[in-house]
Amino acid sequence: GENVEQHPSTLSVQEGDSAVIKCTYSDSASNYFPWYKQELGKRPQLIIDIRSNVGEKKDQRIAVTLNKTAKHFSLHITETQPEDSAVYFCAASINGGSQGNLIFGKGTKLSVKP
Amino acid sequence: DSGVTQTPKHLITATGQRVTLRCSPRSGDLSVYWYQQSLDQGLQFLIQYYNGEERAKGNILERFSAQQFPDLHSELNLSSLELGDSALYFCASTSAYGYTFGSGTRLTVV
Repeated sequence: GENVEQHPSTLSVQEGDSAVIKCTYSDSASNYFPWYKQELGKRPQLIIDIRSNVGEKKDQRIAVTLNKTAKHFSLHITETQPEDSAVYFCAASINGGSQGNLIFGKGTKLSVKP
Repeated sequence: DSGVTQTPKHLITATGQRVTLRCSPRSGDLSVYWYQQSLDQGLQFLIQYYNGEERAKGNILERFSAQQFPDLHSELNLSSLELGDSALYFCASTSAYGYTFGSGTRLTVV
């Protein structure tokens, strides 16, 4: 089955710097790659997603890139702010995201220092 | 409010006991997924139901079972509870826009 590896497990940056989180997946049939932000004790919330027919997607300070050949995808956060501090999870699905279970990475704890 | 409703929010119970967690998906969503999140761990997929039928199984223990009812709400039953079952249990439902998670049930086994 699908396996998703996520690095780093913790990341500390200064406010205003950029943060990059990387994930690799094993199943070449995976075609949907969302990123979730989870604050302590709260539910995971979708922040951005990308499908396999797209190489890059941006939404304000957040961008995701996908390299299907290498089977890896990355989350880029620019101009980080203290409120970006949270745990970020990547995930992969073979069923396009609307149906089919998501397999999650183990998460990255991002700390943005003022 | 995500539209996915989970009850109860908190549950404290003793080892060996049995509990039932409930989830109502967003209106119109036919699928329900259950995930377990232990302390400092990622989200482990347990099981998926689609319109009342089991669709996929993940790392779900034999002590755990689930079902989805005709009104599409789902229940996750956890029995013979152990200390290691203490976790946040999330359900999610899906639409064309992807997954939406409920607020979770925090289970503490003492």
